[in-house]
Amino acid sequence: AQSVAQPEDQVNVAEGNPLTVKCTYSVSGNPYLFWYVQYPNRGLQFLLKYITGDNLVKGSYGFEAEFNKSQTSFHLKKPSALVSDSALYFCAVRDYYGNNRLAFGKGNQVVVIP
Amino acid sequence: DTAVSQTPKYLVTQMGNDKSIKCEQNLGHDTMYWYKQDSKKFLKIMFSYNNKELIINETVPNRFSPKSPDKAHLNLHINSLELGDSAVYFCASSPSYDNEQFFGPGTRLTVL
Repeated sequence: AQSVAQPEDQVNVAEGNPLTVKCTYSVSGNPYLFWYVQYPNRGLQFLLKYITGDNLVKGSYGFEAEFNKSQTSFHLKKPSALVSDSALYFCAVRDYYGNNRLAFGKGNQVVVIP
Repeated sequence: DTAVSQTPKYLVTQMGNDKSIKCEQNLGHDTMYWYKQDSKKFLKIMFSYNNKELIINETVPNRFSPKSPDKAHLNLHINSLELGDSAVYFCASSPSYDNEQFFGPGTRLTVL
């Protein structure tokens, strides 16, 4: 079964600095990869996805992620963090040939310090 | 123009009661989901319907019963509520399994 690991519980970054949220995945076939963000007391919002094609994927709010097949990683990045980026970030994976379940990581709390 | 809506937003009830949560999406999507998010923010799929047909039924107590009267609605009925059912329940929809999911605002269920 597919799975996702988000190794850090919390990521602290100063405003204006680069932000990276790490994600590694495990699937038996080709992966469909997603990043979602959850603000307090809200539902998850889609940020970006990788299905096929260019390994660098650009998404909403200036976020991007790089698919690395050899390292089975899909790290989320933003060149310059904003205080408003403080939220909970979830990586998710679905196996292209497998079942239809989307497996979510445990989430990473991002705190951007003014 | 709410894409995925859920009612109620908050639900406080006593153990042993039966309650329902409603979900509606106006996106024209074929697939709908129910997720449970616990107090540690872990998100777990409970059910998924595709065109009113049950596709995913995770290891969920049979006290939980989803119902999809049409493609735009997926309701969740819970019988004999227990303390451990306290969580935030999210409804979501997507055009298909390949696409991103759109989440509702969540229903915070508290069982006393």
